[in-house]
Amino acid sequence: EAAVTQSPRSKVAVTGGKVTLSCHQTNNHDYMYWYRQDTGHGLRLIHYSYVADSTEKGDIPDGYKASRPSQENFSLILELASLSQTAVYFCASSGRVITEVFFGKGTRLTVV
Amino acid sequence: GEKVEQHESTLSVREGDSAVINCTYTDTASSYFPWYKQEAGKSLHFVIDIRSNVDRKQSQRLIVLLDKKAKRFSLHITATQPEDSAIYFCAASMSNYNVLYFGSGTKLTVEP
Repeated sequence: EAAVTQSPRSKVAVTGGKVTLSCHQTNNHDYMYWYRQDTGHGLRLIHYSYVADSTEKGDIPDGYKASRPSQENFSLILELASLSQTAVYFCASSGRVITEVFFGKGTRLTVV
Repeated sequence: GEKVEQHESTLSVREGDSAVINCTYTDTASSYFPWYKQEAGKSLHFVIDIRSNVDRKQSQRLIVLLDKKAKRFSLHITATQPEDSAIYFCAASMSNYNVLYFGSGTKLTVEP
């Protein structure tokens, strides 16, 4: 079964600190995504990647960086965490021709 | 970019009745329209999709309708059951562009 694993599952970060969210997929998928979920806003795309060593900006990239060192791994980096980045973050993967997108279980990030 | 609007933020139906969730999109280039379900505290799971070459698709109790002229698509859940209670997200994607744009979600409650 397709699997997307996120770590950590929850994190409390200090304002101004650095946060790294990790994602690993065993689906052999080309595409990986980072979405942010806020109540009332659905899911908004932060960054995505379709090949290792390359990332693309989504709709809300400001304040976030992404890294895709291999096909299986995709990280989201908050260099200077801010209160407004408190949210649930989902990593996902899909094949070259978009059909079903597989989501991880999410990371609940609280910035204090 | 594409904007997907999900019209009902909440929907409550009685068990056995039908539920309808409506979405509209803005970009005429969009050609792939999936629906995802998120149960309380969990991740998103794919439920059904439709592509622009058809206007109706059914999978068991789920029916998706697509009206390309109106740029509108809808999810119909027939004979609802309590386990259908969840947040449902619609999404849209353009062909050759593997990025999903999500609506804001509809919280469906099926009352016994």
